[in-house]
Amino acid sequence: GIQVEQSPPDLILQEGANSTLRCNFSDSVNNLQWFHQNPWGQLINLFYIPSGTKQNGRLSATTVATERYSLLYISSSQTTDSGVYFCAVERKAGNTGKLIFGQGTTLQVKP
Amino acid sequence: GAVVSQHPSRVICKSGTSVKIECRSLDFQATTMFWYRQFPKQSLMLMATSNEGSKATYEQGVEKDKFLINHASLTLSTLTVTSAHPEDSSFYICSARSTGPAPTQYFGPGTRLTVL
Repeated sequence: GIQVEQSPPDLILQEGANSTLRCNFSDSVNNLQWFHQNPWGQLINLFYIPSGTKQNGRLSATTVATERYSLLYISSSQTTDSGVYFCAVERKAGNTGKLIFGQGTTLQVKP
Repeated sequence: GAVVSQHPSRVICKSGTSVKIECRSLDFQATTMFWYRQFPKQSLMLMATSNEGSKATYEQGVEKDKFLINHASLTLSTLTVTSAHPEDSSFYICSARSTGPAPTQYFGPGTRLTVL
């Protein structure tokens, strides 16, 4: 099956700092989504981004499908950005709609 | 935006009992829903794909007789954990997949199951 690797596994930032999270995947994809899991377990959709670049406020994401990676940028981080960030991909072959998750990046933003 | 609800949010039950978890897409129809399981400090693991009007398809290693899935309508899927045991204790999360040119999965808030 498709492999999804996220880096770094853990990240500690001072409030106001910028960061880049990376997601590598091993096969062609139909879909790539970034999520933020809050402390209560809710997965919040950040981006649907199988290719290209999108921005939403302080967050932006870029997926280079031909090179099989995606980046999530967080600028001017705030303590409320803390939590686990997941990348998940849907493999193109089979078109099943299944999302396979990476292991996540745990972000802690300190005041 | 698309909203998915899950009920109950938390359940504690005795070993041997069955527990039903409901997943609803509130403002869109979903022909396909998914069920995931998450252990503490780990990622989400896909358990099964729930298709409206047909049998669910299970991932390798997931017991279909233990985890019964019913997708009765375009907005409702249920997961029943039968004869639950302490090792079934986990965080269960459902998702619903929207249709259209950018099919996106939206996730419910999860159900924390504790089996005593």
